[in-house]
Amino acid sequence: QKEVEQNSGPLSVPEGAIASLNCTYSDRVSQSFFWYRQYSGKSPELIMSIYSNGDKEDGRFTAQLNKASQYVSLLIRDSQPSDSATYLCAEKSESNYQLIWGAGTKLIIKP
Amino acid sequence: DAGVIQSPRHEVTEMGQEVTLRCKPISGHDYLFWYRQTMMRGLELLIYFNNNVPIDDSGMPEDRFSAKMPNASFSTLKIQPSEPRDSAVYFCASSDRNTQYFGPGTRLTVL
Repeated sequence: QKEVEQNSGPLSVPEGAIASLNCTYSDRVSQSFFWYRQYSGKSPELIMSIYSNGDKEDGRFTAQLNKASQYVSLLIRDSQPSDSATYLCAEKSESNYQLIWGAGTKLIIKP
Repeated sequence: DAGVIQSPRHEVTEMGQEVTLRCKPISGHDYLFWYRQTMMRGLELLIYFNNNVPIDDSGMPEDRFSAKMPNASFSTLKIQPSEPRDSAVYFCASSDRNTQYFGPGTRLTVL
């Protein structure tokens, strides 16, 4: 059974520091990975997608993919209190377009 | 684009009543997903459609749950009869074969 695993946290990071969120997956053939952010009481919103090995940067966010080790990570530089949320990692099943979701990591940025 | 639209945003009902949740996907998206989210179980896929056709309903918990997509711009999720354990946030998401975009969700409380 395909699985995506995340540490549920909470992960507490001081304001201005780098927050590092990690995710491992079991399906070796997966090609597409996504990071969603979910504020309390809100719906998940896409912040990054990554398809190739290596790093992908978008503003303060960097997604990293290592297919050999089957992990995906999300780095948030210069973290702000507004980054406090739950971050969900997901991989896309190539056979049926479903997303396989991790349980999410709760991130707390302390002012 | 207005994004994915869901109604109602909040629903409070009594055990045994019928509940109907509604979703309007983003125009042009050919995949529609219904999810349920609880603290205990996280984000669970209930059913998804491709071009209005149900593809996988293995996540539907019981026969009390049913979903329809009569056309490309409308879907419903119905619970009949509702039970207190159905209390959760129900999300609809639509996809262009790659990225899923979520609606604001319906918070259902069954008393």
